[in-house]
Amino acid sequence: GQQVMQIPQYQHVQEGEDFTTYCNSSTTLSNIQWYKQRPGGHPVFLIQLVKSGEVKKQKRLTFQFGEAKKNSSLHITATQTTDVGTYFCPGGSNYKLTFGKGTLLTVNP
Amino acid sequence: KAGVTQTPRYLIKTRGQQVTLSCSPISGHRSVSWYQQTPGQGLQFLFEYFSETQRNKGNFPGRFSGRQFSNSRSEMNVSTLELGDSALYLCASSREWGQGYEQYFGPGTRLTVT
Repeated sequence: GQQVMQIPQYQHVQEGEDFTTYCNSSTTLSNIQWYKQRPGGHPVFLIQLVKSGEVKKQKRLTFQFGEAKKNSSLHITATQTTDVGTYFCPGGSNYKLTFGKGTLLTVNP
Repeated sequence: KAGVTQTPRYLIKTRGQQVTLSCSPISGHRSVSWYQQTPGQGLQFLFEYFSETQRNKGNFPGRFSGRQFSNSRSEMNVSTLELGDSALYLCASSREWGQGYEQYFGPGTRLTVT
């Protein structure tokens, strides 16, 4: 499947601080999906981006798809303890999603 | 709409035994994927099934196998269990592969091999 590199691997923030995680691919992506997995839980689909330069918002979460469709970012404004978890941006092709290790976000209350 | 269900939720097996895990997808979903999740390797793709056909397989030994039934329910089997097979096994369903079809994950089966 398509390999998507995600950084950082870990991020610890104080509650109220902003947080951003980045995904980069060496090849052009047809689309990119974002998932969140809470500790002890299973991955939950957040959003899918399809168009070049697309920006979508879900409350405090802002998702962007790069103009060249090779990178994406997730920005969380004013983090809360409920944002804790691992965020994934899997690459996909040929009926296979390659998740990688994601970005683990921890929030200090 | 009921979510993806997996049975059993927890399982303890002994090295050398075999195990079968079951996954029932969301009604109407025909694609089922399986993943193995461990702290060291993260979330790794095992295989994907659609209409009873395996369309892709990850880099796992032949001890890992799966199948899908005509009602889209899927099973995966691990034979000759090894300690390293201890993991959370997740299945995910979607309507079809491709743009616009997100995956819905089940709660997983936690397998411990002793």
